[in-house]
Amino acid sequence: DGGITQSPKYLFRKEGQNVTLSCEQNLNHDAMYWYRQDPGQGLRLIYYSQIVNDFQKGDIAEGYSVSREKKESFPLTVTSAQKNPTAFYLCASRRNTGELFFGEGSRLTVL
Amino acid sequence: GIQVEQSPPDLILQEGANSTLRCNFSDSVNNLQWFHQNPWGQLINLFYIPSGTKQNGRLSATTVATERYSLLYISSSQTTDSGVYFCAVPRSNYQLIWGAGTKLIIKP
Repeated sequence: DGGITQSPKYLFRKEGQNVTLSCEQNLNHDAMYWYRQDPGQGLRLIYYSQIVNDFQKGDIAEGYSVSREKKESFPLTVTSAQKNPTAFYLCASRRNTGELFFGEGSRLTVL
Repeated sequence: GIQVEQSPPDLILQEGANSTLRCNFSDSVNNLQWFHQNPWGQLINLFYIPSGTKQNGRLSATTVATERYSLLYISSSQTTDSGVYFCAVPRSNYQLIWGAGTKLIIKP
């Protein structure tokens, strides 16, 4: 069954800790994305990757880091430098036509 | 840069009613997507519709690219249609600009 898998679905973190969110896709898409969503708000782009071993900053990259070592995987690390990390994080991949497909999301809460 | 506006921002309907959601964009685009975010947060790709009309069950979408708008129609609404509907257009080859969304509540 093709799709995008994000894990964990829920994550709690203490202030000052880094945390890594996983995103795996088996759709054979080249491009992948990370978005952040705050309650009642729209989506904001954190990072995106057009191809393996390449990635670009989005609109709110500060305090986040990514890697793209494999086509299938695009993990996001929320570092301690991110001042307000509590949010809903969505990973997506892009078909060559431009259509975006999303995972189920990861909810991060900083205690 | 290109602007995307969605209307109405909120819509409350009884089950069985029909609804029309609108997405206006300020410049010509070569594609447009509609998404539904359910109450659990998952975003579902509804339509990829650069122009013309597409239908999928009770949902249909029409994009009039020359007039810079798209409409999403939901007929015979069900409570499972509740959530937020977003439209998005390309800002570049790899980035999208998102509308603020229309929050739809379907009451039983």
